[in-house]
Amino acid sequence: ELKVEQNPLFLSMQEGKNYTIYCNYSTTSDRLYWYRQDPGKSLESLFVLLSNGAVKQEGRLMASLDTKARLSTLHITAAVHDLSATYFCAVYGGATNKLIFGTGTLLAVQP
Amino acid sequence: DGGITQSPKYLFRKEGQNVTLSCEQNLNHDAMYWYRQDPGQGLRLIYYSQIVNDFQKGDIAEGYSVSREKKESFPLTVTSAQKNPTAFYLCASWPLAGAPANTGELFFGEGSRLTVL
Repeated sequence: ELKVEQNPLFLSMQEGKNYTIYCNYSTTSDRLYWYRQDPGKSLESLFVLLSNGAVKQEGRLMASLDTKARLSTLHITAAVHDLSATYFCAVYGGATNKLIFGTGTLLAVQP
Repeated sequence: DGGITQSPKYLFRKEGQNVTLSCEQNLNHDAMYWYRQDPGQGLRLIYYSQIVNDFQKGDIAEGYSVSREKKESFPLTVTSAQKNPTAFYLCASWPLAGAPANTGELFFGEGSRLTVL
């Protein structure tokens, strides 16, 4: 059974600092997704990572995928308050066509 | 514009009542999903459907029912058997088939917030 773990669960950062959110998963998969959720809102797609070594960047966020280590990272560079949200990774379950979500990381960027 | 429409956005239910949440998509996607989210928690899969007239249970299907009579529609009924139905419910769809560039990205609706009084 595919399990997805994120850490940390909660991250308080100062503006201007860098940090990384980690997403580990338990079985082989070649697709991983990152989503952002603002309080009371739905999920917004950030990145789609489709192969080993894939790296995507958008603004201050950069995501990477290592399928051999079953690990994805979401790196935040020079955080700003607007990045405060909950970030989820989700792993494709293959033949089941299910997307299994991690527990989420609540990011709070302090001025 | 193409997208997923969930209704209602807010719903209050008395204990013992069944309620149905609507989910409609005009993206021509094959697969549709229902997730439940509790405060401060991740998303848990309730039911999913890959083709019309077929659906599978997810991880927390007890107390819920679905139907998939049309490709565009995947309503979720929260029955009185669901002991703790207060939650945020998210519907999503996924283009299973498609061009090689299809990333299989899951698209979400805006969600329905159900509160049991």
